Amino acid sequence: EDQVTQSPEALRLQEGESSSLNCSYTVSGLRGLFWYRQDPGKGPEFLFTLYSAGEEKEKERLKATLTKKESFLHITAPKPEDSATYLCAVSPMDSSYKLIFGSGTRLLVRP
Amino acid sequence: DVKVTQSSRYLVKRTGEKVFLECVQDMDHENMFWYRQDPGLGLRLIYFSYDVKMKEKGDIPEGYSVSREKKERFSLILESASTNQTSMYLCASSPPLGYGYTFGSGTRLTVV
Repeated sequence: EDQVTQSPEALRLQEGESSSLNCSYTVSGLRGLFWYRQDPGKGPEFLFTLYSAGEEKEKERLKATLTKKESFLHITAPKPEDSATYLCAVSPMDSSYKLIFGSGTRLLVRP
Repeated sequence: DVKVTQSSRYLVKRTGEKVFLECVQDMDHENMFWYRQDPGLGLRLIYFSYDVKMKEKGDIPEGYSVSREKKERFSLILESASTNQTSMYLCASSPPLGYGYTFGSGTRLTVV
């Protein structure tokens, strides 16, 4: 069964304290892996798409990486405005439509 | 900028009412989706549509129906609202082949 697991469920950081969020996945074939940011009471906002192992994408303080079994979202020197829930999702090769979502990591960055 | 627009941010409805949640996208996307999001349960797919007048059940379709008469509009219908349908409802659209979704801002529905 296709599955996405994110860890940790929640993460508290001090401002400037770098860390990583993990997304491990099990799919028969990976079409793509997606990272989203979600602020409270709002819809998820697209961050990155990764398609193949070894690929990396960067945006400001965020960098996403992909291996054959997992993806990491690295947060370098985070600021309080980076506080949000980060969602990972995969698009299986055998489905043209659906994404399978993880349950998310709630990140809190304290000043 | 591409957009998915949900008609209401907050709704309060009474038990037994018929409820319509509307979603419109301006990206000419083939695929549209309705999810609900609850604490501890994550995003759960209710229904999706891959073409006008086409629909498929997701993981939790019970108590819901959908309508897609035009490509840009996808409606979620709660036939007889119940308190266990109190949730955040998210609409999304995507082009074919799983290139990722664009989400709307969500509708927080409370059924009393």
